Amino acid sequence: QVQLQESGPGLVKPSETLSLICSVSGASISRYYWSWIRQTAGKGLEWIGRFYSSGSIDYNPSLKNRVTMSVDTSKNEVSLKVTSVTAADTAVYYCARGGTYFLDYWGQGLMVTVSS
Amino acid sequence: EIVLTQSPDFLSVTPKEQVTITCRASQNVYISLHWYQQKAGQSPKLLIKYATESVSGVPSRFSGSGSGTDFTLTISGLESEDAATYYCHQSSSLPITFGPGTKVDI
Repeated sequence: QVQLQESGPGLVKPSETLSLICSVSGASISRYYWSWIRQTAGKGLEWIGRFYSSGSIDYNPSLKNRVTMSVDTSKNEVSLKVTSVTAADTAVYYCARGGTYFLDYWGQGLMVTVSS
Repeated sequence: EIVLTQSPDFLSVTPKEQVTITCRASQNVYISLHWYQQKAGQSPKLLIKYATESVSGVPSRFSGSGSGTDFTLTISGLESEDAATYYCHQSSSLPITFGPGTKVDI
């Protein structure tokens, strides 16, 4: 059974970097695309970007200059970094399997608040 | 960016009713349109893939139709456990986008 689990700090200060990890079990990181999505009450579901282990990466232009995704195949983990965060980055962050097609497995989500 | 609009925004229904939710895309997405169900406090769950294809483990009362720019999610014989927000999602072109959601209250 495929399972995804997001982890990271729930509180980040403005202007700092948000760093999250998605731990994957039941599927090889190397064989699929992996996406990060965030959800806010105001903007709904927003796709942040997708990563494939070959190095293929695509980011949402709305966040492109502040986002970095990477993968650690030895740990079967995908990571996300968002720099220079503001209150607008406060959201529930999800990782999910997929990105070129449907998103078939999602993590439970991690609430991240940007506040001093 | 492809914009997805959903209607209605909100539905209040009774059990056993049939529910129809529509999703319209600002450009042709062919059949690269997928539907998700999100219950309160949970992550989205894939219901329908590629506009019409069923997903393993999803009850048969959920079905999808459409292609191009107009799509429909139908719930036949609504059950109380179907209270949730439903989202459409297009994977035809980047950036991937989602509809704003339709909340179904039972």
